[in-house]
Amino acid sequence: AQSVAQPEDQVNVAEGNPLTVKCTYSVSGNPYLFWYVQYPNRGLQFLLKYITGDNLVKGSYGFEAEFNKSQTSFHLKKPSALVSDSALYFCAVREHNYGQNFVFGPGTRLSVLP
Amino acid sequence: NAGVTQTPKFQVLKTGQSMTLQCAQDMNHEYMSWYRQDPGMGLRLIHYSVGAGITDQGEVPNGYNVSRSTTEDFPLRLLSAAPSQTSVYFCASSSRLAGGQETQYFGPGTRLLVL
Repeated sequence: AQSVAQPEDQVNVAEGNPLTVKCTYSVSGNPYLFWYVQYPNRGLQFLLKYITGDNLVKGSYGFEAEFNKSQTSFHLKKPSALVSDSALYFCAVREHNYGQNFVFGPGTRLSVLP
Repeated sequence: NAGVTQTPKFQVLKTGQSMTLQCAQDMNHEYMSWYRQDPGMGLRLIHYSVGAGITDQGEVPNGYNVSRSTTEDFPLRLLSAAPSQTSVYFCASSSRLAGGQETQYFGPGTRLLVL
C-alpha cells in the first residue's frame, strides 16, 4: 500500500533563510510525487511534481524538490523564504499506473517569520 | 475557465439531515474525486470517478454517495449526517494522462459542521 509521511507538523524559518519541508513515501512500484500548497481558507494549489528524469524538479514560486530513490524522499526546498510562503504544504504520491488514487501526507505548516 | 467550483462554501447540518455538496468543472476532465480534510490527517479520498457513469469508493466512503451523470458534475451526498462528518470537503479533477502522471486541480472547499 502507498503511504506518505511528513515528519514535521510545523516548520519555522526566518525570512531570507533557506527552507526545507520533508516528505518520505512508500510505494511498491515507481512513484509519481507531488507537492501542493494550501493557503488559509483556500483549496490546494499544485506546486510541482516528479514523474521521471532529473531528480531535481523546479516548480512554482521558486520552489524545488529533490527526488531521492534510495532514501524514498521528496523534500521541498526554497533557497530564500518569503513571509508569503507561510501556508500548509502537502506531499502526495501515486504509484505509476495505479489509477486514480493519490495518497496525501498529513501536511506541514510552514511559518516564515519576518 | 472557472476551473473547479464547489457549493456551498459553508453549511451547518443537524444530525440525521441529508444534503448534497455540489462540484463542477469546466476543463473536460475525466477524473473527479472527493476528499475530506481533517486536522493532522491530510486529505482522505471518499469517492472518485473516472468518467461519466463510473464511480468507485476511496478510503473513507461510508455515509456518502456519489453519481456522475455528466462529465462536468460530481455531487457528493450525505445520507444521514453525523458529527463525525464535520470536516472540510474538497473536490478535485484531472485529465487522464498515461500512467497517472496528471495533476489534480482542487476546488475551494466546503466547510461542513454537523451538530
